[in-house]
Amino acid sequence: DGGITQSPKYLFRKEGQNVTLSCEQNLNHDAMYWYRQDPGQGLRLIYYSQIVNDFQKGDIAEGYSVSREKKESFPLTVTSAQKNPTAFYLCASSPPGRRGAFFGQGTRLTVV
Amino acid sequence: QKEVEQDPGPLSVPEGAIVSLNCTYSNSAFQYFMWYRQYSRKGPELLMYTYSSGNKEDGRFTAQVDKSSKYISLFIRDSQPSDSATYLCAMSGGLSYNNNDMRFGAGTRLTVKP
Repeated sequence: DGGITQSPKYLFRKEGQNVTLSCEQNLNHDAMYWYRQDPGQGLRLIYYSQIVNDFQKGDIAEGYSVSREKKESFPLTVTSAQKNPTAFYLCASSPPGRRGAFFGQGTRLTVV
Repeated sequence: QKEVEQDPGPLSVPEGAIVSLNCTYSNSAFQYFMWYRQYSRKGPELLMYTYSSGNKEDGRFTAQVDKSSKYISLFIRDSQPSDSATYLCAMSGGLSYNNNDMRFGAGTRLTVKP
């Protein structure tokens, strides 16, 4: 089955630690995205990548970093510089020119 | 003012009812309008999208766009308990070749009671 796999589903992090969220897709899509979802707010774009070895900051990139070494993979690192990291993180992808994106099942990150 | 406004609900209806979900927006550059359905603790799933003004129908779902009023709607006919989810509206200007310019509403939580 084609799709986007995010892991882990739940993640707990201590304050001051970096943590990496995994996102893998087998849809052969060039573009991939990371969004953050908080209660009462719309999804907000953290980073996006249109092609391997290239990525751009979204609206709320501070405290996050990404890499795109393979077409299939777009991991997100939440660094200790992110002041409020507890949220639901969603990875998505889309083929060229198509409106709308395909989403993974999300990772819920909680800082303890 | 947020670019996209969406009433969070919750909205509760009996099975078989017609459901109306709505969003307003402020950016007149938006050209593409999307509706996503998100079940609890899952990722959003694209239901349908429309370009510019007009209606689009897909089974029990109808999307409507009124650009003059900056108002979009999603109608669900003969609603089912399986339609219980949060519905997100999203829109983009279409200038980007991909979707990095999508803006989302906060979502409306819908419950359809048997």
